[in-house]
Amino acid sequence: DIVMTQSPLSLPVTPGEPASISCRSSHSLLHNNGYNFLDWYLQKPGQSPQLLVYLGSNRASGVPDRFSGSGSGTDFTLKISRVEAEDVGIYYCMQTLHPPFTFGPGTQVDIK
Amino acid sequence: QVHLVESGGRVVQPGGSLRLSCAASGFTFGDFGMHWVRRAPGKGLEWVAFIRYDGTNKQYGDSVKGRFTLSRDNSKSTLYLQMNSLRAEDSAVYYCAKGPFTDAQYYMDVWGRGTTVTVSS
Repeated sequence: DIVMTQSPLSLPVTPGEPASISCRSSHSLLHNNGYNFLDWYLQKPGQSPQLLVYLGSNRASGVPDRFSGSGSGTDFTLKISRVEAEDVGIYYCMQTLHPPFTFGPGTQVDIK
Repeated sequence: QVHLVESGGRVVQPGGSLRLSCAASGFTFGDFGMHWVRRAPGKGLEWVAFIRYDGTNKQYGDSVKGRFTLSRDNSKSTLYLQMNSLRAEDSAVYYCAKGPFTDAQYYMDVWGRGTTVTVSS
């Protein structure tokens, strides 16, 4: 199975400041179609998870442009250009290249 | 508007069975692959299973393989998860989630609100 790791696991942030989360996979997620099968999700407190970024770098519908995804192969990054208070929650990366699909352990983002 | 509504969660004894349902609306259900994902108390998200739009391909997580069975009724726009031989570690909120309009990608762009399964004697 592909193992996903994230760092940091806890990230205190200051509103208005940038933030970054790293995700690594034990196997390359680059499909032969050129897409990286790596997605980012956010689960806010008391809510269902929501898709933020799909296929490595594509922002999902309705997601603010302060969120961006980058990376390829085994190393990926989710960046928030200017954190807002509503961005608190747990961020997960997930690979969907090879079943069983696997999530990272999650990064808890809180306001300082 | 796209909606997914899970149901069927309850308290069940270890070794018991349960069937979860996910009712879809606002889109052509039979055109999309569907997933189940769970989150146990104090734990992170865990992918459970995926079923292709036509039901011909199913994939399962290691921890549920052989115990859980995924099915769908496209005429009723409903997804099912049959859960057998339940264990305490299956206790979680179970979410159904919709895949994209393509057979070759698996991200989850719409999620339901979840249904809670508790396995306890």
